Amino acid sequence: DSGVTQTPKHLITATGQRVTLRCSPRSGDLSVYWYQQSLDQGLQFLIQYYNGEERAKGNILERFSAQQFPDLHSELNLSSLELGDSALYFCASSVGGSGTSYNEQFFGPGTRLTVL
Amino acid sequence: AQKVTQAQTEISVVEKEDVTLDCVYETRDTTYYLFWYKQPPSGELVFLIRRNSFDEQNEISGRYSWNFQKSTSSFNFTITASQVVDSAVYFCALSEGSSNTGKLIFGQGTTLQVKP
Repeated sequence: DSGVTQTPKHLITATGQRVTLRCSPRSGDLSVYWYQQSLDQGLQFLIQYYNGEERAKGNILERFSAQQFPDLHSELNLSSLELGDSALYFCASSVGGSGTSYNEQFFGPGTRLTVL
Repeated sequence: AQKVTQAQTEISVVEKEDVTLDCVYETRDTTYYLFWYKQPPSGELVFLIRRNSFDEQNEISGRYSWNFQKSTSSFNFTITASQVVDSAVYFCALSEGSSNTGKLIFGQGTTLQVKP
């Protein structure tokens, strides 16, 4: 158990809908990362938050947004869903701060999103 | 541009065989960090090792060993006397020091199947 929790574990929805994925980082970790794992794109970095502020952005679609709350949990919002958004979405956390590139990231169990 | 290549898509071995998973990376940074993660059939990503660009010492942890060679931009992973429990997808990843964000760039992964 990595200490990172993600809910829900599975999500099935229809095209055009909006969903919210939730992540709670390990105790003491200030950085939260979101990754998408799909068959065609592999594991891709989406976005990072550090202590409530956006720190880095990857190939995240404009239909997707995220935030990190004062209690450090994070939510990833996916809207106007398309079939191609079906994927496993991972949240990871690390200590963060200076030397963030050095810190290993601990991954949650993922949320499997299926868009029908 | 930064990139991680795992040329071996799938490897199948018989239990007790040794197996090496290849990883080649590209980066312009002089300070960077390399990681290996394991994704067993249950789906979670498990951190295995981190290496920084200034430390080319090989590392051994039980049946696992890692060979980092800057001259060939490679960070290969060897499992000695493989076991069925080693069956998983293994990912090599890169984090660049200049970004100081911890963003991980993953390779496509190598699926290892260890048969009894």
